[in-house]
Amino acid sequence: DAKTTQPPSMDCAEGRAANLPCNHSTISGNEYVYWYRQIHSQGPQYIIHGLKNNETNEMASLIITEDRKSSTLILPHATLRDTAVYYCIVRVYAGNMLTFGGGTRLMVKP
Amino acid sequence: DAGVIQSPRHEVTEMGQEVTLRCKPISGHNSLFWYRQTMMRGLELLIYFNNNVPIDDSGMPEDRFSAKMPNASFSTLKIQPSEPRDSAVYFCASSPTGVGTGELFFGEGSRLTVL
Repeated sequence: DAKTTQPPSMDCAEGRAANLPCNHSTISGNEYVYWYRQIHSQGPQYIIHGLKNNETNEMASLIITEDRKSSTLILPHATLRDTAVYYCIVRVYAGNMLTFGGGTRLMVKP
Repeated sequence: DAGVIQSPRHEVTEMGQEVTLRCKPISGHNSLFWYRQTMMRGLELLIYFNNNVPIDDSGMPEDRFSAKMPNASFSTLKIQPSEPRDSAVYFCASSPTGVGTGELFFGEGSRLTVL
């Protein structure tokens, strides 16, 4: 699976949009971009995934650049409960293994 | 719906003792994963099973670690003998292979402390 690069930490004001970047310049054509988050002391939680089109669900939006070398996870109205470590992972869909990197520690502040 | 169930949630033991961690995956999921998380190394995949068969155990640190999945509803991760460096949070996750989003569902974890 391709390697990803994320900033180690970010801050966001409560109620504002949180934009979390991820670089995956070596992504292959059959690899998807997945985002998970881990709230303190809990197991990781799936957020969203995509191949090349932008995706949106009830939790977040995923914007993938046209060349697929980077993506951005958007939490439109961050709350204090969104404080967590966010992991960007690229993997082949049919391959169920997930390899976690360091992630981005998002701190949402009042 | 019941999620992935792990037990025990917390375990404190002494070096040299045997430790057994247990996992019940979500019913109908045919892939099961064991991860370990430490501050130093982050989340590491130890082993994963598909249809109760171990597929990749390259992440298992050494022979002291063993994992079994005797049936579709139960898996164990055993450490014998345990050492202080095994102290970590161990997560179990399950997934329905090849269908849905490819999402892994994680349990709450088992926090192991080896003194």
